[in-house]
Parts: sequence; C-alpha cells; structure tokens
Amino acid sequence: SAVISQKPSRDICQRGTSLTIQCQVDSQVTMMFWYRQQPGQSLTLIATANQGSEATYESGFVIDKFPISRPNLTFSTLTVSNMSPEDSSIYLCSAADPEAGELFFGEGSRLTVL
Amino acid sequence: GEDVEQSLFLSVREGDSSVINCTYTDSSSTYLYWYKQEPGAGLQLLTYIFSNMDMKQDQRLTVLLNKKDKHLSLRIADTQTGDSAIYFCADRSGGSYIPTFGRGTSLIVHP
Repeated sequence: SAVISQKPSRDICQRGTSLTIQCQVDSQVTMMFWYRQQPGQSLTLIATANQGSEATYESGFVIDKFPISRPNLTFSTLTVSNMSPEDSSIYLCSAADPEAGELFFGEGSRLTVL
Repeated sequence: GEDVEQSLFLSVREGDSSVINCTYTDSSSTYLYWYKQEPGAGLQLLTYIFSNMDMKQDQRLTVLLNKKDKHLSLRIADTQTGDSAIYFCADRSGGSYIPTFGRGTSLIVHP
C-alpha cells in the first residue's frame, strides 16, 4: 500500500489569497489525482495530475483557478487561487497504480476561507 | 453518466452486524471499493473486490457482490463504536483509472 502525506492538514485563509497544498507519496505511482469534498458531500474529482505535463481537468474546474504541478512520480501540488468562501472544502490527494486496482488517499487538507 | 447510490444513514447497536448497501449502474465496472472516513480524516481504503469475485472476507468485514443486480454490500460483524464513520462505495471500470464515488453512508453505532 502507498502512504500519502498532505500538508497543510488545515488552514484558515482570507478571501482573495491563494494556497498551495502539497502531496507526497512514499512510493512511485502511475496516477495521482486531486479531489474536493465539500461539507457533507461526496468526492468530486478536480483533475488528474500528469507527470511532466499539464493536468487533465474535469468539467467545471480550470487551470487558472486550480493550477497543479507534478514534477515527478511521487509529488504533486494543488493551488487554490483567488479563494472565496465557496472554496471552503477538504482537498484530497490520491494515488494509484491502476494495474494493482488500489486507490489510496491522503488525510486531506481542510480549507476554511473567510 | 455512471452513478453509485447509497443510503445516507445507518444506525446499529454495538455488537450487532452492520450491512451497508450500494448500487451502481456501470456494467463494465471491474473494481468496487469500500472506503471509511472518520471525522476530520481522509479516506481509508477498507477493502476492494474485483468484479469476477462474488465475496471477499477480511476479518470482521465481508463484501458481497451481485453483479447481475449491480449491488455491493459491506457487512461489519460485531460492530464497535470505533466503526462509527462515513462509508463510501466506489466503482471503477476497466477503461478508466478514475472511480465514481457514492455519497457515503453515515454509520452510527450506539451502546
């Protein structure tokens, strides 16, 4: 199994600022993803983080708002830009080796935007 | 699009068995997952089953898959207060690396 570390684990941010969340996996994985979980809701996929190229965004999410980096097979960042209170959510990093079937998650980063 | 449905709440007495149910619509699902989310935490992969299996047991957990009815269940034997959490069902088709999640079932265990 893969162990995924995210930081920060939580933060309180001011409207209009940006925050970068880091995700570190303890082993090389093929796929890394970023999800958002709004209060009381299920998970919504933001994007697939591609190593060395631009992330693949899901409908409703754009690079200007959620820029993503993935410089290598074990690390990715998600930035939430120009935050508003509607961005208050838990942001979850996940990683998978699809041939193995398993999909693992980090502990999440809980953002509160005032 | 494909859909995964779960009931939102389940309340059980400590020591009883819990059964959390899930239905899905994707007939090409190859992997089906159960995740546990405790308050303030991320998702913990509890177990998963490959679509060519109909049962998987791991200690207190039993997963049953009825592929014909597209129904998945998670049974927790001897439920404890520490099992109180939200349980998410998810499925993934062989053609996609991205699972579809249900809304989660909140399991409440009371004395």
